[in-house]
Amino acid sequence: KNEVEQSPQNLTAQEGEFITINCSYSVGISALHWLQQHPGGGIVSLFMLSSGKKKHGRLIATINIQEKHSSLHITASHPRDSAVYICAVNLNTDKLIFGTGTRLQVFP
Amino acid sequence: EAQVTQNPRYLITVTGKKLTVTCSQNMNHEYMSWYRQDPGLGLRQIYYSMNVEVTDKGDVPEGYKVSRKEKRNFPLILESPSPNQTSLYFCASSLSRGWPYEQYFGPGTRLTVT
Repeated sequence: KNEVEQSPQNLTAQEGEFITINCSYSVGISALHWLQQHPGGGIVSLFMLSSGKKKHGRLIATINIQEKHSSLHITASHPRDSAVYICAVNLNTDKLIFGTGTRLQVFP
Repeated sequence: EAQVTQNPRYLITVTGKKLTVTCSQNMNHEYMSWYRQDPGLGLRQIYYSMNVEVTDKGDVPEGYKVSRKEKRNFPLILESPSPNQTSLYFCASSLSRGWPYEQYFGPGTRLTVT
């Protein structure tokens, strides 16, 4: 079993829909990252959080440390949000472990 | 502009021919690392470096070497590439170690070994 599990693996949506991507982990962590990988391959850091909730534009990330669970929400989705979203966790060391990603396609 | 650069972006080579993928960051970051990304497996760490002259193995170090002679550069060396090293490679950096910082990724290097 992977230490970081994401769901769903694939997600399609119509423009304007509210989207949720989930990440569960089974180890103690010091922080959790949400990353975005566009079709061209480049990876961008969206959020890093260790508690609570963060918001940036239409993106919201939450984490529940007790439940070992995080969610990434996209409000008013747009075709340019189409990408692979990757959850990664910092163990209580310097090590970073990645989920396998959620492929999101938003259609006009 | 703060960035991590990698070269080359694309490389096709043959088994056994030594190659180096360069990585450079302009943010004075202490921590640098190399990852490979394969379908269905996600990103896996190859090597990382806490600072100049300090490197350590990640999860999949076999067949790779690294060096950190200068703070800004962290090249990945494949002494004798094999087809199972065909992958998408990313270099990343962050401010420091010991506490998680935002990761900055390079644009990726797609390597094919025939």
